[in-house]
Amino acid sequence: IAGITQAPTSQILAAGRRMTLRCTQDMRHNAMYWYRQDLGLGLRLIHYSNTAGTTGKGEVPDGYSVSRANTDDFPLTLASAVPSQTSVYFCASSDSDSPEEEFPSSPLHFGNGTRLTVT
Amino acid sequence: QQPVQSPQAVILREGEDAVINCSSSKALYSVHWYRQKHGEAPVFLMILLKGGEQKGHEKISASFNEKKQQSSLYLTASQLSYSGTYFCGTATGTYKYIFGTGTRLKVLA
Repeated sequence: IAGITQAPTSQILAAGRRMTLRCTQDMRHNAMYWYRQDLGLGLRLIHYSNTAGTTGKGEVPDGYSVSRANTDDFPLTLASAVPSQTSVYFCASSDSDSPEEEFPSSPLHFGNGTRLTVT
Repeated sequence: QQPVQSPQAVILREGEDAVINCSSSKALYSVHWYRQKHGEAPVFLMILLKGGEQKGHEKISASFNEKKQQSSLYLTASQLSYSGTYFCGTATGTYKYIFGTGTRLKVLA
């Protein structure tokens, strides 16, 4: 079934530990995104990538890193987790007519989210 | 800066209408609208690419005023299934794609 797969579904993590959230899409979309959603704060962009090999910082990038080695995968890494990173994390992707397109003109497709608790 | 949505929350009776507004401090190239049910991922409703464009999706439509950097979502004759949180998503010329502050909508029988 085409779509976006996130793993794990949920995780409890001790502060200071390293964690990688996985995101894989099989739609061959050029652009991918990571958002965090906290109660009452909506969706905030962490990092994005408009094509393989290129990434950019979003609204709240501190404490997170990403890589885009290929079109399908866009992992998000927390190098040393802190309690303020407790959140629900959503990965998304969108299609584009070409990598040169300057902004997303196609819908974002979301994964089911990863609920992360840092204790 | 995150686009501001108004109202923050609204409660309706079935069959009533509602308008949700989205305002940006930056020039907009496109506006998307999404609905999110509790515990689920956001689901795409519609996209507006041109200034002044208006689109419809069943009893839900939207407008986009490029000059005012605003978009509005119109829900007509609301149904119970319309309950959820609505987000506008905006592109300001790059793939740094951000969402509005959200509007919680509750439709009562």
